Amino acid sequence: GDSVTQMEGPVTLSEEAFLTINCTYTATGYPSLFWYVQYPGEGLQLLLKATKADDKGSNKGFEATYRKETTSFHLEKGSVQVSDSAVYFCALRIGGNQFYFGTGTSLTVIP
Amino acid sequence: EAGVTQSPTHLIKTRGQQATLRCSPISGHTSVYWYQQALGLGLQFLLWYDEGEERNRGNFPPRFSGRQFPNYSSELNVNALELEDSALYLCASSSPGTGNSPLHFGNGTRLTVT
Repeated sequence: GDSVTQMEGPVTLSEEAFLTINCTYTATGYPSLFWYVQYPGEGLQLLLKATKADDKGSNKGFEATYRKETTSFHLEKGSVQVSDSAVYFCALRIGGNQFYFGTGTSLTVIP
Repeated sequence: EAGVTQSPTHLIKTRGQQATLRCSPISGHTSVYWYQQALGLGLQFLLWYDEGEERNRGNFPPRFSGRQFPNYSSELNVNALELEDSALYLCASSSPGTGNSPLHFGNGTRLTVT
């Protein structure tokens, strides 16, 4: 069935380090892909999205490229800040209104 | 535009009681989703409503139920509360028909069962 597999956490990085959070998916059709971020005590916020193969979503210095050949949508940021500390979720939308979420990856950035 | 709103923000109940959580979607959104997020864990899908009908249900017992009203707002009811029902309950909405629109989340209701 359709699913999302996300890199296990937690991840701890020093400020200005490079970030990669891996996400791969399984889908029977052509999904749209999303990254969400959740700060403590809040709901999930959409970080970026990509709706077709080779699309690159970007926002706030974060990027992810929809790779159909490897069924991946890895999240990257070149230089993380303390304020990026949060939980990150990869998600896909398939078949109109079906959504699937990864298990979330907790990121802590230390000064 | 106003985002997804949930009420109450916090809810404290005693084991065996009933809890009612409410959600107002973004204007124009007809689909409402409910998720449970226990502390430190990921999202567990509870229910999906669209156009007033329950479209899908996650692996939860029948004491978790809900409905969607004609104005597309929704409520989640949890009967016979158990300690393990303590969690953050998130509501999300999406626009109809378009295959690439994201879910928009509210800030959740923190339910504590004592």
